[in-house]
Amino acid sequence: DVKVTQSSRYLVKRTGEKVFLECVQDMDHENMFWYRQDPGLGLRLIYFSYDVKMKEKGDIPEGYSVSREKKERFSLILESASTNQTSMYLCASSLGQGRGASGETQYFGPGTRLLVL
Amino acid sequence: AQSVSQHNHHVILSEAASLELGCNYSYGGTVNLFWYVQYPGQHLQLLLKYFSGDPLVKGIKGFEAEFIKSKFSFNLRKPSVQWSDTAEYFCAVIPYNQGGKLIFGQGTELSVKP
Repeated sequence: DVKVTQSSRYLVKRTGEKVFLECVQDMDHENMFWYRQDPGLGLRLIYFSYDVKMKEKGDIPEGYSVSREKKERFSLILESASTNQTSMYLCASSLGQGRGASGETQYFGPGTRLLVL
Repeated sequence: AQSVSQHNHHVILSEAASLELGCNYSYGGTVNLFWYVQYPGQHLQLLLKYFSGDPLVKGIKGFEAEFIKSKFSFNLRKPSVQWSDTAEYFCAVIPYNQGGKLIFGQGTELSVKP
């Protein structure tokens, strides 16, 4: 079974803090994704990566950055947390056959619920 | 912009009732289609997917979905729901050759009353 783990289930941070959300997958997947999930808005893609050190912006990258130094790990960074970044953050991975692999199942982690005060 | 629209935000049914959740997408080219489910406190997981072939797709736990290309729709159905189907359901689309990026609908929360 594919396993995607996220470093924290719940996180409380203060406005202006730098926040790191970590995601690790154990199936040698090429592609990794970060989403945020908000009620009534579904999941929105923040960033994704289809190879080590490669990253692409998703639909809502503002206020976020990412890092992928190793294949199994994909980090989401909030440089200066703000209250409007309070959300559930989901990481996902898929097998990946280069950019453009459109038929793949994405496997999701349990999510990190972030509260920014 | 490409988008996915789910018609219902919250559906409440009694056990044994039939279920149909609507999903429409706006993209003129080839797409792959997915339904994901998120049970309370659990990971988002794949329910079923359509890539090609028979437009009626069967998934886990008795769910099925029908792809109607002319209507840009991929509705989810189940003939008889159970209390354990209480969850949030997400329709998602990957437009072909766009980097594997899933575009999700807003989600439909299903509550099944025992």
